[in-house]
Parts: sequence; structure tokens; C-alpha cells
Amino acid sequence: QLLESGGGLVQPGGSLRLSCAASGFTFVNYAMSWIRQAPGKGLEWVSAISGGGDSTYYADSVKGRFTISRDNSKNSLYLQMNGLRAEDTALYYCARVRLGGDCHDYWGQGTLVTVSS
Amino acid sequence: AIRMTQSPSSFSASTGDRVTITCRASQGVSNYLAWYQQKPGKAPKLLISAASTLQSGVPSRFSGSGSGTDFTLTISRLQSEDFATYYCQQYYSYPLTFGGGTKVEFK
Repeated sequence: QLLESGGGLVQPGGSLRLSCAASGFTFVNYAMSWIRQAPGKGLEWVSAISGGGDSTYYADSVKGRFTISRDNSKNSLYLQMNGLRAEDTALYYCARVRLGGDCHDYWGQGTLVTVSS
Repeated sequence: AIRMTQSPSSFSASTGDRVTITCRASQGVSNYLAWYQQKPGKAPKLLISAASTLQSGVPSRFSGSGSGTDFTLTISRLQSEDFATYYCQQYYSYPLTFGGGTKVEFK
């Protein structure tokens, strides 16, 4: 199970930290991703992190503003979002990366981030 | 970044129809292609990985094919629960990218 939290309303230029609590699997064995979906739009991959946390990847649209991290002792995934823009408004999903290939076999229900003044 | 283009973006179909959705990559992705189904208000569900490998529990009426740049998702006989939006995703290289989605609506 994946349970996201931390979403909310934030002003442009502000910051927010999303969390994802994982259970039911050996968290450290899996890479994890954040994927977002703007209202009424398609899916956009945001960031991924390896199981050990030593490798991270970002979409160009968030590079330099967002930071992905994890705490394997707490079975938790995080997304620190700085310099938020209106176009970052979306439902943010936490997703498990399938073993053997970087597609996503389990998803949370998402946490909504709204960037507006 | 590799661009994924799905067609059509939406269409109407009836229960029992054979449905084919196409996904094209801007460069070759080998077979590193996944398909997802998303219903309104729900998280996406992984249907197919490696272009043609059906995930456990996914009905056999779903199938995937293709390699390189051109891929298809086929639903052999559309059921009521299949009306949804379908996305492809390449995982050949980072950044990972999704297609724009194909919405299958009831005719």
C-alpha cells in the first residue's frame, strides 16, 4: 500500500513537501517514482529514486526545483518542491517501480497540490 | 526526451467491439513499453509491461504488441468495465515519458 500526504494550497514561489508511506513490501528493494496529473490532463512522470537512494532522476520541468529522497528505515518516500508554479498544480502520485523494468506496478491514490495566489 | 504519441486521443465504441490503440515513440525504445488503464477518480493500473507481457490478474482480452517505435494495445472484445483512459509509457531511458492518453467512451 502507498499512502501520499502533504498536498495543499500554496502560493506561487512557495514550497511544499510530499510524503509517501509504503507498506506491504520490502521498501528498500524497490525504486520509487513521483508521477503527477494536472486536472483533466494526462500523466507526467516527475522524479524517481533507486532503492538505496543513491541514484535520482528528474523531469526537465522540475529539475533544480524539486528534490526526491527516501528514508528506508521509515519506509517513506519524499518530494521536496520549491519554487512552485501554477503549472505544478496537479494530483501527485507515489508509485512503485516494478522489478526488472522502470514501469510502475503499484500506485497510491495521490495528494493534490494547488499553486495559486 | 523520448516523445510518446498515442492515437486516437479518444473514440467511441460498443461492448463487444475489438479495439486497437496505437502508441508511437519518437525514437526506438526496444520493448521497454508499458500500458496503463485509468478510470475516473482512480489511480492508473498497470496492464502490460515489456510491450506484450500481461500483468497478473489482467483479463486475457487485453494484449500488447510491437517493438522499436510502434506499439499497439488491443482489447479483443470490449467489456463495460473497459471504458477508461489508456496510457503508454516508455522506460527505455530517463526521463520516463507517457503518451497523451486514449479515452475509450461508450457509443
